[in-house]
Formats: sequence, structure tokens, C-alpha cells
Amino acid sequence: RKEVEQDPGPFNVPEGATVAFNCTYSNSASQSFFWYRQDCRKEPKLLMSVYSSGNEDGRFTAQLNRASQYISLLIRDSKLSDSATYLCVVNVGGYSSASKIIFGSGTRLSIRP
Amino acid sequence: ETGVTQTPRHLVMGMTNKKSLKCEQHLGHNAMYWYKQSAKKPLELMFVYNFKEQTENNSVPSRFSPECPNSSHLFLHLHTLQPEDSALYLCASSHGGGNQPQHFGDGTRLSIL
Repeated sequence: RKEVEQDPGPFNVPEGATVAFNCTYSNSASQSFFWYRQDCRKEPKLLMSVYSSGNEDGRFTAQLNRASQYISLLIRDSKLSDSATYLCVVNVGGYSSASKIIFGSGTRLSIRP
Repeated sequence: ETGVTQTPRHLVMGMTNKKSLKCEQHLGHNAMYWYKQSAKKPLELMFVYNFKEQTENNSVPSRFSPECPNSSHLFLHLHTLQPEDSALYLCASSHGGGNQPQHFGDGTRLSIL
């Protein structure tokens, strides 16, 4: 089983729709979680950190489910500019370790007019 | 604009050449990273430096040699590379600690002839 697993997609949804992706992780000792987005031929950019209590940033909501070992990302009222690959990132090394960071393969999202 | 600058943006080299990739961060971070991103594969962490000390080497072949002279600069020295080393090489930086998000440079797209 992969350490961090994502549905590769592509998800093709109309503008204004709500879309959600999940990401599962295998190491129950994982401490920190993030969502990044990566546009075609560009570098990954931090979208949001994922906190235990869940967190929201505008149209984006991230949730963590430790019992089932997954994190989720919900995008409401999707825009054309949301088209990108969304990367799930898990740190399995603990708060003091910068090194045990695992990236998922990414979920491709395409928003159509 | 990114606070992490990578040069060159593109590099084409033969298998017998020696070249170096450069990364500079202007964010006051103390941890720096090299990643490799091949087509249709997740980002692979190669090296981690924390306060100029190498803390991680993820079984990277010796034809890749990192150098971190200070917390703001990171190099990746390349020699006798193979065609399968063609990929996007991304540099990132963060404050130390695995719960800190990383900021990426634009990457160097490397092609080995």
C-alpha cells in the first residue's frame, strides 16, 4: 500500500459545482498534513494546512479523520482558475522532523465553463 | 513572486557532463530540500538540509551530490547522469520542523541526452 494515496482523477466538473477529494495515508503516526496545488509545468504552492479540528479558507474546507486515516478537501462554488492538480502531503516524521514528508501523486481537477 | 529562486530554469546536458543546479531562498528559513518530479510520478524527496546539516538522503545515487554552504543557498551537483534522470528538480525551503509548510522554487527542467 502506498504511504499516501490519492484518486488521480481527472475530475471534470462545471463551474459553480462543489467538488471533494480524499487522500488516505498509511502511517498512523503521521503528524502534519497539507494540501498543495500544482498548475501545469509550475511548482507546487501551499493551499492550506490541515488541522485536527478542520479548517476553512474561503471556498476551501479541509478535514482530517485520524480514525480512518484520511484527509479531505472540499471546494465550493468552483471557478475556472481552480483547475489544477491537488497534492496531498503528509509528514510522518513528527513535529521536529523536517525530513519525513511524503507527497501524494495528485488529483487532477478540471473546471469547465 | 516566489521567495525561492532556482537557476537555471532549463538544462540540457550529455551523460558525461558536469553541471550544478542552484537554489536560493530569501524567506529566512533554515531547512532546504531537493525534490525530483518525473512525469506521472509523485514528488520524490532527495535531500534535506536543516541549519546547513544534511538530515536526509533518500537513497539517492551518488551521481547527485548536494551542497549547502549556508541556510540560504543549496546546490545540486550533477555528473555522469543517466537518461532516466531527466525530470523537473524542485528546491523548497521551510522553517525547521515537519509541521511547517514548504515554499517551492520554479524548478529546473533537466534533460539528459
